[in-house]
Order: sequence, then C-alpha cells, then structure tokens
Amino acid sequence: SQKIEQNSEALNIQEGKTATLTCNYTNYSPAYLQWYRQDPGRGPVFLLLIRENEKEKRKERLKVTFDTTLKQSLFHITASQPADSATYLCALDMNRGSTLGRLYFGRGTQLTVWP
Amino acid sequence: EAGVAQSPRYKIIEKRQSVAFWCNPISGHATLYWYQQILGQGPKLLIQFQNNGVVDDSQLPKDRFSAERLKGVDSTLKIQPAKLEDSAVYLCASSLRGILGETQYFGPGTRLLVL
Repeated sequence: SQKIEQNSEALNIQEGKTATLTCNYTNYSPAYLQWYRQDPGRGPVFLLLIRENEKEKRKERLKVTFDTTLKQSLFHITASQPADSATYLCALDMNRGSTLGRLYFGRGTQLTVWP
Repeated sequence: EAGVAQSPRYKIIEKRQSVAFWCNPISGHATLYWYQQILGQGPKLLIQFQNNGVVDDSQLPKDRFSAERLKGVDSTLKIQPAKLEDSAVYLCASSLRGILGETQYFGPGTRLLVL
C-alpha cells in the first residue's frame, strides 16, 4: 500500500539549533516533493519544492534534500527560532499522466523551538 | 494580491443535517481543490476542478458530498446528510494551472463539528 511517513509527531529543539524533519514514502514515484508550513487555525503555506532529479534546494535558513533511491526527503531549518514553531507537512507531487499534478500529504511533524 | 477566501470559518451542526462551504480562489487561478483535514492528519484531496470541470473526485464520498464550481470561479462544497466522522477542517486551495511542480495556495479553512 502507498504510505507517507513523517518522523515523530512532535520535535522539540532549542533555539539556535538545526531542526531536521524527515519524510519517507513507499510505493510512490513523485515527480516533485513540496514542503508546507501550517500554523494552528490556518491553511498550509508553501515553503520549498524540489524535483526528483535534484539532490538539494536551499532558501534562506531552509534546506531540503531528496533521495529517490531511499525514497526520503529531509527538511532542515538552521539557526531555528521560536517563530519557526509550527507543523511542517511534506507533500508528494504526483504526475496524473498529463501535465496536471496532484499532492499527497503526510500527517506532518509539529516542531516546537524553545528559547 | 488577495488570497483564497473561505466561509464560514466555523460551523457546528447535528448529524444528519446539511451544510455548505464556500470558496473564492485567487483571481485567475484555473485549478481549485477541496481538501479534508482530520485532526492530527494531513490534508486529503476530495475534489479537484480545472476551470469548471472535474479532474479528480475519486476520494469524494459521493453519496453525501457534492461540489460545484460555477463559471470556473467560486466553488461550494456541500455535505448532506452529515455524519460524526465528517468533523474536520475543510480547506480550499487554488493554483494557477494545476500542473506538476506548481504551488498551491490555501485558504484558512472551515472548521466543521458534527454533534
């Protein structure tokens, strides 16, 4: 069966440290992988996207890696801040057989950064 | 640029009642999505529209859920009759063309509680 797993439901780290979130999947072959942030009572907000043939992508303090052999993506937040506390969702972007895509979301990892 | 608008933000109904949600996507976005997000889980796609046509409604419980997107702009999602397990946040999202690797923009969601 198809499955998307994100590491531990909750991750607590100290301010200034690097947070590493994991997304593993089975029986999917995504063309892209996207990461979203969701704050309580709000809809998800797009953060980063990486293609299947890219190894790494960076944006400011964020870095995402994508290993299609391991079927895994890692999402890093360096120099973390309390404002980074939120739920982070990974989403597999699947080809529908045309140019259209479809997202399959993991259940998310709740990150708490404490001062 | 205005974001995705949804209403109402909250709704409490009793089981077997009906309810409707409204979504106004970002202007010019051809693709509109309705997701269901149960507490502690990631969003699950219910239906995807491309302009005013349905691309994917495979996960929509069609015996009780219906959705329409008149004139390819606004959309409504209806549940009739509601069940206890329909308690969730209903998220509307839109994207420019719905193609692979494209960002989806989410509204704030409608939180439904079925008693």
